[in-house]
Amino acid sequence: DQQVKQNSPSLSVQEGRISILNCDYTNSMFDYFLWYKKYPAEGPTFLISISSIKDKNEDGRFTVFLNKSAKHLSLHIVPSQPGDSAVYFCAASAISNYQLIWGAGTKLIIKP
Amino acid sequence: ETGVTQSPTHLIKTRGQQVTLRCSSQSGHNTVSWYQQALGQGPQFIFQYYREEENGRGNFPPRFSGLQFPNYSSELNVNALELDDSALYLCASSFGPLEEGLSDTQYFGPGTRLTVL
Repeated sequence: DQQVKQNSPSLSVQEGRISILNCDYTNSMFDYFLWYKKYPAEGPTFLISISSIKDKNEDGRFTVFLNKSAKHLSLHIVPSQPGDSAVYFCAASAISNYQLIWGAGTKLIIKP
Repeated sequence: ETGVTQSPTHLIKTRGQQVTLRCSSQSGHNTVSWYQQALGQGPQFIFQYYREEENGRGNFPPRFSGLQFPNYSSELNVNALELDDSALYLCASSFGPLEEGLSDTQYFGPGTRLTVL
């Protein structure tokens, strides 16, 4: 039972355009959501997070949107840069259980 | 400041054997969490060690065990290896246990790729 789903295994975007990565979840108890970025041969690095009391959080070129009614979150990267090419994971946790539940990841490829 | 390191980088074992993976936490971190990432999947939480004691465990059998040492480095031990144990094993360190809301301040190592034949 996948509680966190990233339905797009890969995404290709032109440099300078917007990249939108999507994530769906099924557990209504999740109240904290995170995005991680992973380069080959490196561990995941934290990118941005959002609490369920918000519907948007921005950090530079990265914005995360949360739609609680749809149980959906998305990561927007504007403008996309070649260094953004990586695998992006979304993860979620519930206040009652801090353990992160991760999606399977989306490989983002930024084309020059 | 030294980041999280893991050893070995790659490891090949046969079914039924035992394996020990090692992790050195980032300087100043007292908590280590271990994750298993199977091919094509996201990381799955195995357990967490805080101040040398297991402090939370995911849905993994007892043959997955660990240790944390006084210097906060950690080991993951897996007994009676099965083919499905083939995966990337990640460790992550943090300033405190994850229940203190520090999920986003985990620093991950590069992982150990375990292959079980």
